Amino acid sequence: GAVVSQHPSWVICKSGTSVKIECRSLDFQATTMFWYRQFPKQSLMLMATSNEGSKATYEQGVEKDKFLINHASLTLSTLTVTSAHPEDSSFYICSASGGSSNQPQHFGDGTRLSIL
Amino acid sequence: AQSVTQPDIHITVSEGASLELRCNYSYGATPYLFWYVQSPGQGLQLLLKYFSGDTLVQGIKGFEAEFKRSQSSFNLRKPSVHWSDAAEYFCAVGAQGNNDMRFGAGTRLTVKP
Repeated sequence: GAVVSQHPSWVICKSGTSVKIECRSLDFQATTMFWYRQFPKQSLMLMATSNEGSKATYEQGVEKDKFLINHASLTLSTLTVTSAHPEDSSFYICSASGGSSNQPQHFGDGTRLSIL
Repeated sequence: AQSVTQPDIHITVSEGASLELRCNYSYGATPYLFWYVQSPGQGLQLLLKYFSGDTLVQGIKGFEAEFKRSQSSFNLRKPSVHWSDAAEYFCAVGAQGNNDMRFGAGTRLTVKP
């Protein structure tokens, strides 16, 4: 149980394009979803927290207009990297939880984004 | 705000040997503590968690961790390491349960045959 699917797993695109990453909870309702960014050989950095039906809360230093997050349903959240540039290349990981404080986050397999 | 320190960036152990990965946290109240494992190019898998109760927590794949409040530690242990345990291990602390979670820098485990 508690499976989180993230798609695509790898994307390569040209600079200036926008890229959408999907995060789905397959067998539970995810009231809260989290988006992380991970640089090579480094830890996960929380970018934003989203609750279903409300605006995402972004961490300090994360541009909300650059990284658009939508959490329109209890099983789907999307992260759109707008007008992507090479410095946006990274490993992006989502996680989801049922919302109760005693439930851990369950992680997707991540998306490797490469901007040429 | 809460924070996590994993003092060891890289650890190498022989297959069959015991393992202990260190984790120290900083938080004023009782923390929620987690250990995750990440294989290259993949997401994170939860090994175990501590919320309250018994301070010795059993997880998957034969791992266990012990919460020691006096030392602000939550070290991960395994009595006999398998080659498939080679991966990156992250300790995390949550101030409000699963929300507002902060990760340590990670410890990379290499297993020698």
